[in-house]
Amino acid sequence: NAGVTQTPKFRVLKTGQSMTLLCAQDMNHEYMYWYRQDPGMGLRLIHYSVGEGTTAKGEVPDGYNVSRLKKQNFLLGLESAAPSQTSVYFCASSATGSLNQPQHFGDGTRLSIL
Amino acid sequence: GENVEQHPSTLSVQEGDSAVIKCTYSDSASNYFPWYKQELGKRPQLIIDIRSNVGEKKDQRIAVTLNKTAKHFSLHITETQPEDSAVYFCAASGNTPLVFGKGTRLSVIA
Repeated sequence: NAGVTQTPKFRVLKTGQSMTLLCAQDMNHEYMYWYRQDPGMGLRLIHYSVGEGTTAKGEVPDGYNVSRLKKQNFLLGLESAAPSQTSVYFCASSATGSLNQPQHFGDGTRLSIL
Repeated sequence: GENVEQHPSTLSVQEGDSAVIKCTYSDSASNYFPWYKQELGKRPQLIIDIRSNVGEKKDQRIAVTLNKTAKHFSLHITETQPEDSAVYFCAASGNTPLVFGKGTRLSVIA
């Protein structure tokens, strides 16, 4: 039981490049989330999903897109990377029921935009 | 929307002493309050949570208290050990997803 797995773990991009971060969970969780973590800013929600085929905006959604085609996977896309998107990205999932459930985090993706 | 304030941003204690981290929230509809611990370079991990129908919850050396009237909740760590050194985040949610505080860096000095 791997829990929440994020790929890749590290990536360096040039400004304007695009990429997709993959999050996979094997706990049959309905809810999934993408956060970014910057020094001194805590964890800020980018987008989230309450089920397969659904997505919703979080606190800082600009410049990102997401897709939830399969229940176990949640993809985060950067269409045109900018230096301001340099951050550590965490994916999380939680069980069905409500947004008020413990979240299980992946190990993170460290992304640098040059 | 919800706003969570966390204090202090850094905290240093001697090994064996107690540590207290405080958070306030703004949305009276919030009813779930978890605490996460994040060691350097690692993922955040849930250490304890509390729901609005209880005022206090304990798990060995850690405890959380909730004051709904004042809209604040606190994490208490007793008999601190070097392995308690980490960044701690509080969070709150109700009808919307979790909103996290900015974190407290706890250093336990041996």
